[in-house]
Amino acid sequence: KQEVTQIPAALSVPEGENLVLNCSFTDSAIYNLQWFRQDPGKGLTSLLLIQSSQREQTSGRLNASLDKSSGRSTLYIAASQPGDSATYLCAGETSGSRLTFGEGTQLTVNP
Amino acid sequence: SAVISQKPSRDICQRGTSLTIQCQVDSQVTMMFWYRQQPGQSLTLIATANQGSEATYESGFVIDKFPISRPNLTFSTLTVSNLSPEDSSIYLCSVGTRGQRDTQYFGPGTRLTVL
Repeated sequence: KQEVTQIPAALSVPEGENLVLNCSFTDSAIYNLQWFRQDPGKGLTSLLLIQSSQREQTSGRLNASLDKSSGRSTLYIAASQPGDSATYLCAGETSGSRLTFGEGTQLTVNP
Repeated sequence: SAVISQKPSRDICQRGTSLTIQCQVDSQVTMMFWYRQQPGQSLTLIATANQGSEATYESGFVIDKFPISRPNLTFSTLTVSNLSPEDSSIYLCSVGTRGQRDTQYFGPGTRLTVL
């Protein structure tokens, strides 16, 4: 059974700092790894998807990497802004398009 | 991308009653899923809603408690039956456009409070 863990559970940084969120998974037989953002009281917004054959994906200030052999993914956020404050979730996709989510990292970027 | 709406956005229900949540997508999709997010926790998959056949439930979730319908490729309902306070959660539907290897999109969620 796939298990996904995210570290740290919470992170508070000053505006402008670069930061890294970590995600680890137990079953390397994933099809892809997705990063989502969840704002309080709202649904999930997809940020990046990394296919199992890929090593990384980039979108603007976000860069996500995937290392299947070690069961790890990272989300790098450059030049953080207060608007980046949210909970970040990673999820591994297994057979049948089913997603297993981590517990999330609650990020606060202070002005 | 897919635009997903859910109704209701939130509800407060009495113990022992049921709530039916609707999920509508603006385009035909292959896969539809229902997730639960309990307070302070991450998302857990309840079931895959299959068009024209019975839903596929994950371990710990049963049809009697969470009956699901999917009459076509753009619509699904989740009913949470015989409500108890432990059912207070956010329920989200998600869709995948081509099954595996594709981004999943999530609805805004339905916040259920059971008194």
